[in-house]
Amino acid sequence: EVQLVESGGGLVKPGGSLRLSCSASGFDFSNYNMNWVRQAPGKGLEWVSSITSRSSFIQYTDSVRGRFIVSRDNAKNSLYLQMNSLRDEDTAVYYCARQYSSSHDYWGQGALVTVSS
Amino acid sequence: QSVLTQAPSVSGTPGQRVTIFCSGSRSNIGSDSVNWYQQLPGTAPKLLIYSHNQRPSGVPDRFSGSKSGTSASLAISGLQSEDEADYYCAAWDDSLNHWVFGGGTKVTVL
Repeated sequence: EVQLVESGGGLVKPGGSLRLSCSASGFDFSNYNMNWVRQAPGKGLEWVSSITSRSSFIQYTDSVRGRFIVSRDNAKNSLYLQMNSLRDEDTAVYYCARQYSSSHDYWGQGALVTVSS
Repeated sequence: QSVLTQAPSVSGTPGQRVTIFCSGSRSNIGSDSVNWYQQLPGTAPKLLIYSHNQRPSGVPDRFSGSKSGTSASLAISGLQSEDEADYYCAAWDDSLNHWVFGGGTKVTVL
């Protein structure tokens, strides 16, 4: 069974940092591109970042480029999102999602990140 | 402001057919696959339809998708109370070079 489990969320002050992790199981993690998608409270879904299976190609949405860093460790079946210089508007539930062909076919349960003083 | 446009809400009675629309442009829906996600209250999104009209294993055939030009639609026939959820369309955008989502449509079963 495919499972994605996020961890590392929490409360952080503006300007602070946080690192999210996504632990994958039930599939060959090293063969799949992975994504981070977030959802601000009461709002819709927003794509944040993508990383290819071998980390050869990485993309970010404009609002986080230069502040967030996505990475993965295929040996540990894990995806990461290092979030720096956090802002109020980064407050959201962050989901990791497996990319299959042109869709996101499995999602984690999400990790809540709250940026507040 | 979402790149893909969806109506905020739609409602129907049990057994009715409801349709959710998603409007995009040539750089996203017009040139790539459209996916639909269902988000039940308090849960993570779930893939409902991929490649315009394909259902993953386990998704009831009451859900169907279609695409025409730069627009797509999701139809729910035989509406049930458990279909109350938010529904999002999504596609890759060739101009922005990233994934884009619709703002979501809340389906209410009256």
